[in-house]
Amino acid sequence: GIQVEQSPPDLILQEGANSTLRCNFSDSVNNLQWFHQNPWGQLINLFYIPSGTKQNGRLSATTVATERYSLLYISSSQTTDSGVYFCAGVRTYKYIFGTGTRLKVLA
Amino acid sequence: EPEVTQTPSHQVTQMGQEVILRCVPISNHLYFYWYRQILGQKVEFLVSFYNNEISEKSEIFDDQFSVERPDGSNFTLKIRSTKLEDSAMYFCASNDRIYYEQYFGPGTRLTVT
Repeated sequence: GIQVEQSPPDLILQEGANSTLRCNFSDSVNNLQWFHQNPWGQLINLFYIPSGTKQNGRLSATTVATERYSLLYISSSQTTDSGVYFCAGVRTYKYIFGTGTRLKVLA
Repeated sequence: EPEVTQTPSHQVTQMGQEVILRCVPISNHLYFYWYRQILGQKVEFLVSFYNNEISEKSEIFDDQFSVERPDGSNFTLKIRSTKLEDSAMYFCASNDRIYYEQYFGPGTRLTVT
């Protein structure tokens, strides 16, 4: 099956710093989403981005489908950005999730 | 904005008991999914459901699991005889077109003692 690798697995930032999270797929996917899992365990949908670039406030994402990777940019990080970030791609009916990047933003 | 809802938010049950987790997908959606996440691990696909039948299931989804859409709004996951290793967060999701964005519910945390 498709493997989804995320890097880095852990990241510690000082508030105000920028970061880039990466998601690599071993095979092509039909679409891709980025999620933020908050401390209560809820999956918050950040981007639905099968290809191209999208921006939402301090967050932006780029997917290069032909090269099977996606990037999530966080600028001017805040302590509320802490949590686990997952990417997930879909083949057939199911999403295949990566193992996540655990982000901690220090005040 | 429409959203997927799940009940209960947390359920505690004893090993061997049956549990039913409930979900109300977004009303015009046609495809329904269950995922689970064991604490500290990634989210794993369990099953997808379309047109009143299972369209795909994972190897995790064995005979102790079943899904049902008992009416026009609810979508349920039943675990017949719970095991300790079934303790996890269970997420329901839905979308209106295959391959398109899936909308996730807030999850049900199941604890099996």
